[in-house]
Amino acid sequence: GAGVSQTPSNKVTEKGKYVELRCDPISGHTALYWYRQSLGQGPEFLIYFQGTGAADDSGLPNDRFFAVRPEGSVSTLKIQRTERGDSAVYLCASSLTMVTYNEQFFGPGTRLTVL
Amino acid sequence: DQQVKQNSPSLSVQEGRISILNCDYTNSMFDYFLWYKKYPAEGPTFLISISSIKDKNEDGRFTVFLNKSAKHLSLHIVPSQPGDSAVYFCAARGQGNLIFGKGTKLSVKP
Repeated sequence: GAGVSQTPSNKVTEKGKYVELRCDPISGHTALYWYRQSLGQGPEFLIYFQGTGAADDSGLPNDRFFAVRPEGSVSTLKIQRTERGDSAVYLCASSLTMVTYNEQFFGPGTRLTVL
Repeated sequence: DQQVKQNSPSLSVQEGRISILNCDYTNSMFDYFLWYKKYPAEGPTFLISISSIKDKNEDGRFTVFLNKSAKHLSLHIVPSQPGDSAVYFCAARGQGNLIFGKGTKLSVKP
């Protein structure tokens, strides 16, 4: 009965480096979402997937950010040439289908720190 | 511009009393609202929701009220318990995603 899991829980990197953040959704959930939460803010939508395809990536801040979900389960958020402003908690959520996207279950997040 | 606003960053109440957390929104097209609760180092967890066709939804100690004309909703917790101490996020259903407020940190003192 595992919930949404995210790895690593913490990631410290240097400015300019590349990072990958992983999300394992609840088994059987076809919709997967990525959010970013900066200090003092609420979660901010980045991208969501229905199955393997990105249904909406309008929240990605720029082309340094990219996400994949090749087999419709695990998703990886990739950030190239990291900047200090990318430091935040990256949250992943899943829902049974896109229709039930109001019933999103969140993982614990990955805290990314860019030095 | 923020579409979902929680103007009180923090709230402190005494155990056993009522906690009232407020939320305002700007988009009259929003049709569904949710409250999430978040403990440190954990992801947000769903608490309660309300459809725009209703003005009240109750679940145990938690009640959400919606005033569409004022574009305002509130979460009432009664009686408040120390375990309710957390950050509470108001969210509106957007186009396939959720739009969150900045959160209100609730502290319930024994």
